[in-house]
Amino acid sequence: DTAVSQTPKYLVTQMGNDKSIKCEQNLGHDTMYWYKQDSKKFLKIMFSYNNKELIINETVPNRFSPKSPDKAHLNLHINSLELGDSAVYFCASSQEGLAGGYEETQYFGPGTRLLVL
Amino acid sequence: RKEVEQDPGPFNVPEGATVAFNCTYSNSASQSFFWYRQDCRKEPKLLMSVYSSGNEDGRFTAQLNRASQYISLLIRDSKLSDSATYLCAVNMGGGYQKVTFGTGTKLQVIP
Repeated sequence: DTAVSQTPKYLVTQMGNDKSIKCEQNLGHDTMYWYKQDSKKFLKIMFSYNNKELIINETVPNRFSPKSPDKAHLNLHINSLELGDSAVYFCASSQEGLAGGYEETQYFGPGTRLLVL
Repeated sequence: RKEVEQDPGPFNVPEGATVAFNCTYSNSASQSFFWYRQDCRKEPKLLMSVYSSGNEDGRFTAQLNRASQYISLLIRDSKLSDSATYLCAVNMGGGYQKVTFGTGTKLQVIP
């Protein structure tokens, strides 16, 4: 009964490769996110989708391409991996709601630890 | 000035102590505020939302000071199990739920 799940949990790959991370939520939420947490533990938003529509696209290299086939899934494809892409990538979801409401709570997946060699 | 700023710590406190963290935010139009807890090698989890009037949940008290643009988290009677990194999060407003996280404050409760 995992709420937000991600696969794979660990990913070790060579520079230049292309890889994908998958995320699924069974909470019925409308909004999903990708965050990157670097070695200094800074958690930074990359993308957000609301009902399959891209609504937040931070300054991220275009080697990163998110895709949301339906509102329960948000995948992240990374082309031409670089050393600096090594980080923990967290998927999260939240219910769309009015600002200031508790429904904005974000539920995070367990993270995907990506190591680029 | 960073959008959301926290003292990274670490805060090393003995069991039973009271400890407080602050978090400042730059955008006065920010709408909502949260404290998340992140254990080592785990995902962040919501600890509590922060309401304008302040709110309490057991040993945890959150306060919001809009005039000075900061939120605080007070932990009373610290337990070993409180050891974690505490992230503040701020929804900057402007439509969709773009939440900006602070870099976190590390708390270590020692026996």
